[in-house]
Amino acid sequence: KNEVEQSPQNLTAQEGEFITINCSYSVGISALHWLQQHPGGGIVSLFMLSSGKKKHGRLIATINIQEKHSSLHITASHPRDSAVYICAVSNTGNQFYFGTGTSLTVIP
Amino acid sequence: ETGVTQSPTHLIKTRGQQVTLRCSSQSGHNTVSWYQQALGQGPQFIFQYYREEENGRGNFPPRFSGLQFPNYSSELNVNALELDDSALYLCASSLGQAPYEQYFGPGTRLTVT
Repeated sequence: KNEVEQSPQNLTAQEGEFITINCSYSVGISALHWLQQHPGGGIVSLFMLSSGKKKHGRLIATINIQEKHSSLHITASHPRDSAVYICAVSNTGNQFYFGTGTSLTVIP
Repeated sequence: ETGVTQSPTHLIKTRGQQVTLRCSSQSGHNTVSWYQQALGQGPQFIFQYYREEENGRGNFPPRFSGLQFPNYSSELNVNALELDDSALYLCASSLGQAPYEQYFGPGTRLTVT
């Protein structure tokens, strides 16, 4: 069993739809990271959070430490949001665990 | 401010050979982490270096080793290459040890034949 599980694995949405990607983890963490990876490999860090909620533009990330669960929401989705979204956690032992990613396609 | 850079971009090696991949951290960052990403998979954590010392390691054999230099640039060395080592190798730098935001390089695509 992976330390980090994401769902769904693949997601197709119409432009403008509200999107939710879920992440569950089974280890103690110091922080949870949401990453975006475009074709070709480049990874960009979207959020790092250890409690509560963060918002950047149309992106919102929440985390529930007690339930060991996080969600990434995209409001008013756009084709440029098409990418792989990866959830990762880091622990106090400087270990990182990654989910396998959610491949998002937003159709115009 | 210069971002994280990696070299080479692509590399082809033969099974049993050795390879060195390089990473230049973002200015001011003293921590670098290395990851292996097989095709269609999420990244796997190899190890992290903080101020030239390894201070975290994933489930990779000793033939994966690293160095961090005084200017905080870094190398990943892989000995006795195996076909399964074919992957995208990513490095990421940060201001310190976890939990700091990570800044990723573009990756090195290694193919082992």
